Amino acid sequence: LAKTTQPISMDSYEGQEVNITCSHNNIATNDYITWYQQFPSQGPRFIIQGYKTKVTNEVASLFIPADRKSSTLSLPRVSLSDTAVYYCLVAGGADGLTFGKGTHLIIQP
Amino acid sequence: DTAVSQTPKYLVTQMGNDKSIKCEQNLGHDTMYWYKQDSKKFLKIMFSYNNKELIINETVPNRFSPKSPDKAHLNLHINSLELGDSAVYFCASSPGLAEYEQYFGPGTRLTVT
Repeated sequence: LAKTTQPISMDSYEGQEVNITCSHNNIATNDYITWYQQFPSQGPRFIIQGYKTKVTNEVASLFIPADRKSSTLSLPRVSLSDTAVYYCLVAGGADGLTFGKGTHLIIQP
Repeated sequence: DTAVSQTPKYLVTQMGNDKSIKCEQNLGHDTMYWYKQDSKKFLKIMFSYNNKELIINETVPNRFSPKSPDKAHLNLHINSLELGDSAVYFCASSPGLAEYEQYFGPGTRLTVT
């Protein structure tokens, strides 16, 4: 079973900031939090990964509170091309490599 | 250059047949994976190999057998195909486990009739 819970779907508009939260109450000490993006008929693509606090790269930010029981993926100024399914993966070593159902993000003009 | 490639992209076959899906990565990674994504979009790990050694073998029917002839290849053979095997199968690779970014192939859509 997946170790994470995410909203099934979210809607937003072009130019907005979108925050997708993932719950992982049973996260283990050696688990990392990784977010992937998947377009229809394609394999998932890595977005960002973190262990604690905040991580930022050129496409997203990842916020992780001190207790690590949740994480928030932040996408600044989304566009129509950000419409996709976003998966939160919590895994360490050989454990936990099952993705949840993901969040279907729909961006409207 | 394609980082992780899979063949075939589509596979339609009848129940009871045996089929194989091939995966190759040119990233020099040590770890490779097979995932199954069903119609409900759950992406489930099936197997993982690290340096040709099986390290993850989830609860998968033994009709599914992975083979890793070398670090760059991980093939999936399926015997006696069943209707419930219909899904998209993704191969992935990474430099190591979990804390490393995984690179996914384009997927193989298997339809069993």
